[in-house]
Amino acid sequence: QSALTQPASVSGSPGQSITISCTGTSSDVGGYNYVSWYQQHPGKAPKLMIYEVSNRPSGVSNRFSGSKSGNTASLTISGLQAEDEADYYCSSYTSSSTLGVFGGGTKLTVL
Amino acid sequence: EVQLVETGGGLIQPGGSLRLSCAASGFTVSSNYMSWVRQAPGKGLEWVSVIYSGGSTYYADSVKGRFTISRDNSKNTLYLQMNSLRAEDTAVYYCARDSITMVQGANAFDIWGQGTMVTVSS
Repeated sequence: QSALTQPASVSGSPGQSITISCTGTSSDVGGYNYVSWYQQHPGKAPKLMIYEVSNRPSGVSNRFSGSKSGNTASLTISGLQAEDEADYYCSSYTSSSTLGVFGGGTKLTVL
Repeated sequence: EVQLVETGGGLIQPGGSLRLSCAASGFTVSSNYMSWVRQAPGKGLEWVSVIYSGGSTYYADSVKGRFTISRDNSKNTLYLQMNSLRAEDTAVYYCARDSITMVQGANAFDIWGQGTMVTVSS
């Protein structure tokens, strides 16, 4: 069982917006602004999409945005495109361990 | 070009040992936070180990005492020595760089290798 809880799957149609949640506790997501989001296509290495809750690395589309409320972080993808179909993982700093924790992953299907 | 290339994976019997290498180009390993992250077949990501720029090392409880992370500054290469391997260590192993947060315990892995598969089976 992963330390952070994500929905197993979400789906949306091209052009729509979707949101993926990542729920933790006050010891991780809720207590620190060190939440990252990764995108992973099948057979490929993960790619950093968001860091420190809401910051985008250079080169990442502004269709991707991150936020946090209480113990839940969220990744929102607007203007959904076919190429966004992938697995998405959240990760957070945790006071309970010397290493951060990952969520179980969410499979995004673009209908 | 900034990149990481892992080598050393393969099929190994339970109880055996394996050393993974991760050669970096375009940046200096010793100046960054470098990690190993693994992914079992069909499963999610697990942060296995990290070596910070100052040399401190940390491990997941699942591998503590069996795995050792290290780096060779002259070769600009990161290593993961894996001993007493178990079936549950079967996974794709990625090396990754965090040059963004530079906060111990946090992660923003901006560069990843392509991964190397380790299969532990008799």
